[in-house]
Amino acid sequence: GAGVSQSPSNKVTEKGKDVELRCDPISGHTALYWYRQRLGQGLEFLIYFQGNSAPDKSGLPSDRFSAERTGESVSTLTIQRTQQEDSAVYLCASSLSFTSFGNTIYFGEGSWLTVV
Amino acid sequence: EDKVVQSPLSLVVHEGDTVTLNCSYEVTNFRSLLWYKQEKKAPTFLFMLTSSGIEKKSGRLSSILDKKELFSILNITATQTGDSAIYLCAGGNYGGSQGNLIFGKGTKLSVKP
Repeated sequence: GAGVSQSPSNKVTEKGKDVELRCDPISGHTALYWYRQRLGQGLEFLIYFQGNSAPDKSGLPSDRFSAERTGESVSTLTIQRTQQEDSAVYLCASSLSFTSFGNTIYFGEGSWLTVV
Repeated sequence: EDKVVQSPLSLVVHEGDTVTLNCSYEVTNFRSLLWYKQEKKAPTFLFMLTSSGIEKKSGRLSSILDKKELFSILNITATQTGDSAIYLCAGGNYGGSQGNLIFGKGTKLSVKP
């Protein structure tokens, strides 16, 4: 696609329910990132996928959070048993390959999650 | 531990003012320094800097990197209300953690008419 696409753009869920957030990266981008941003806060790294390598899950805050990616395409971020503190914007980004090779990352519009 | 620190955390100026946003970094195997502007949800790319002392410019925005002192600045001249946003700085590295990109917490700029 032309840009990074995320869905849903907004999600209101009840505490304790599971949610799935979807990210469709720019076509041809092998690297995919998930970030969380609470209101008024900076970006919090969650997970990073690079091609078929094992993902870097070091930023996932608890075992309620998981993410999958099929090959170099769509990724889903799943939050189980949501808590109010999970309320945030979840941003997905993609890049051609490692940023260290001089490729910038491009962000989607984000999924705003509200847990009530 | 790798880190990127931005200052100030927030800034309020009036239209026409010039502002300087700071970004210092401690990034192992540093490769590049990136600036993003975040107005609503999606940060948009501004600059990537890899060489020390070479200014990059785009309209009223400019940025420069100092690899000896490990910092970068983002300058905005003749600020406008449309410049109000969070400005994010990120350090890119070789083979590091977090997908080779460490973000700072951002500087929130508010430009008053």
